[in-house]
Amino acid sequence: EDKVVQSPLSLVVHEGDTVTLNCSYEVTNFRSLLWYKQEKKAPTFLFMLTSSGIEKKSGRLSSILDKKELFSILNITATQTGDSAIYLCAGEDSGGYNKLIFGAGTRLAVHP
Amino acid sequence: NAGVTQTPKFQVLKTGQSMTLQCAQDMNHEYMSWYRQDPGMGLRLIHYSVGAGITDQGEVPNGYNVSRSTTEDFPLRLLSAAPSQTSVYFCASSYLVDTWRNIQYFGAGTRLSVL
Repeated sequence: EDKVVQSPLSLVVHEGDTVTLNCSYEVTNFRSLLWYKQEKKAPTFLFMLTSSGIEKKSGRLSSILDKKELFSILNITATQTGDSAIYLCAGEDSGGYNKLIFGAGTRLAVHP
Repeated sequence: NAGVTQTPKFQVLKTGQSMTLQCAQDMNHEYMSWYRQDPGMGLRLIHYSVGAGITDQGEVPNGYNVSRSTTEDFPLRLLSAAPSQTSVYFCASSYLVDTWRNIQYFGAGTRLSVL
């Protein structure tokens, strides 16, 4: 059965800290790994990773994929209170519909 | 830019009542999906559609029906609501980027409580 496991489930840091969020996956027809940020409402797309070892960056956020060890990490440097959110990781299954299998999410709280 | 629009935002039902959650997108996306999000369980796929007139079941389809008569709309029907269907429901639409990358865009969600 396909599954995606995220750790930690929750994290509390102070502004300026650097955090690393983990995502491991077992997806039978794996195509890509996606990261979403969910604040109060809809998840919003952050990254799509398809190749091992190639870091994706957007401002203070970066992510990398290891297809051999079946995991991905999301790094946030110099955290700000606006980074407080649930971060969702999803593995894309290319069989048929290209469905996404989501992890339970990491709830990040950044305190001033 | 409207994107994916869900209505209503909140709903309270009694056990056994029926209702339809509405989802509309204005991006001309082929793919649309319904998910439910429960605490500690991430997003789980209920039903999806790869185009008008085509629907299929996801991971947790029991108790829900869908139809896709137009590209824009993908309503989710609860025929006889049960307390186990208390959840937050998200609709998503997507298209294939470069013919193979599927990035999903989500609506703001419907928070449903079944008493």
